[in-house]
Amino acid sequence: TQLLEQSPQFLSIQEGENLTVYCNSSSVFSSLQWYRQEPGEGPVLLVTVVTGGEVKKLKRLTFQFGDARKDSSLHITAAQPGDTGLYLCAGRRAQKLVFGQGTRLTINP
Amino acid sequence: EAGVAQSPRYKIIEKRQSVAFWCNPISGHATLYWYQQILGQGPKLLIQFQNNGVVDDSQLPKDRFSAERLKGVDSTLKIQPAKLEDSAVYLCASRPTSGRAGTDTQYFGPGTRLTVL
Repeated sequence: TQLLEQSPQFLSIQEGENLTVYCNSSSVFSSLQWYRQEPGEGPVLLVTVVTGGEVKKLKRLTFQFGDARKDSSLHITAAQPGDTGLYLCAGRRAQKLVFGQGTRLTINP
Repeated sequence: EAGVAQSPRYKIIEKRQSVAFWCNPISGHATLYWYQQILGQGPKLLIQFQNNGVVDDSQLPKDRFSAERLKGVDSTLKIQPAKLEDSAVYLCASRPTSGRAGTDTQYFGPGTRLTVL
C-alpha cells in the first residue's frame, strides 16, 4: 500500500497546455516536498511546503499544500518540453521522508 | 560545490553474486541516506546515517544488505547474495545539519543502476 498516491502516473501533453498533478494521502505530514528527476540522475528538490493551505510559485509551477496537510498539487502553466521528467512528491513524517510513486510527464513540442 | 558522488553508475551481475556501491556525500553533510528506487516507483529509504552512526535501518533487508559509513564521510552499501528483485537504482543522498524543522533539503547523487540477471 502506497502511503502517498500520485495521479496521474503518466501524462503526455502538447507544449503550451496546462496540467495539474496530485499527491494524496490519508496521513498528515509535517511538510511536503516536490522533486523532479530526469533519466540517469537523482531527484532534485523543487519546493518544500510546510503550512496547511500554503501556496508557492516557482516561475510557471504552482505548488499547493492541502489545508489538512494530507495532500498537495503541482500545477504547470504553459508547459514546455524542458518540463519533461518524473515528478515525485515526498512527505515528512517522524524524521523520515516518504515518496510517492511519481508522475512521469512528457511535453511534446 | 561538488555534488554527491556515486560509483559505479551501472552494474550488471548474476543472481547470488555480491555487489558493492560507494557514495561520497557533499563535504560537511552529517546525514547520509541510501534509497532503493525500483522502476516505476518512488525512492524507498534503506538506511540513514548521522555521522558514522545508524539512525534508521528499519527497511534494510539485513539478511542480504549491509551498509557502513566509517569515519562519518563516505559510505558503502553491499548486497550479498543478490536476488532478481534487487534490480533497481540505488540512490545516495546527503543533508547538512538541519535548519528550521521540516524544511531540510536532501541532495541526491546520480544513482547506481543495478541489474541482476
